Amino acid sequence: EDKVVQSPLSLVVHEGDTVTLNCSYEVTNFRSLLWYKQEKKAPTFLFMLTSSGIEKKSGRLSSILDKKELSSILNITATQTGDSAIYLCAVSSGTYKYIFGTGTRLKVLA
Amino acid sequence: NAGVMQNPRHLVRRRGQEARLRCSPMKGHSHVYWYRQLPEEGLKFMVYLQKENIIDESGMPKERFSAEFPKEGPSILRIQQVVRGDSAAYFCASSRNDASTDTQYFGPGTRLTVL
Repeated sequence: EDKVVQSPLSLVVHEGDTVTLNCSYEVTNFRSLLWYKQEKKAPTFLFMLTSSGIEKKSGRLSSILDKKELSSILNITATQTGDSAIYLCAVSSGTYKYIFGTGTRLKVLA
Repeated sequence: NAGVMQNPRHLVRRRGQEARLRCSPMKGHSHVYWYRQLPEEGLKFMVYLQKENIIDESGMPKERFSAEFPKEGPSILRIQQVVRGDSAAYFCASSRNDASTDTQYFGPGTRLTVL
């Protein structure tokens, strides 16, 4: 059965810290991996990764995919309280269905 | 340039009543997906629709749940005779093309509470 596992489940850091969130997957026909940020509303799209080893960057956030290890990391540098959210990882297995992990709950303290 | 719209944002129903959740996709998007999120769980795929067609409803319970995406108007997720276990956040997403090639963008969700 296809699955996506995220770690850690939750994380508490102080402003200015750097965090690394992990996502590993087992799917029969990998097509892409996506990261979303979920606050108290819609999951907001962050990145779509399809190629191994190519870093995607947006401000203080960056992500990279490792197809050999079947995993991805999401890095956030110089964290701010506004980064507090649930970060969701989803994998597309070549169809329209996204398979989501349970998310990493990040809390950034002032 | 509105994103995906969902209404209502919060819905309270008593056991046995019907719940209707609406989703208007982003402009130019003709593919709609419904997901359910239970507390402390990830989003679970329910159904995928294109205009007037249900493409895949394999994630939707066989009884009491139905979905449609008419030629005109929003997509509707309908839950008949709701039970407490239906309490969850229901998210709609849309994409321009088939999501295997295109990103899905999510609406703000409808939080259903069944008393």
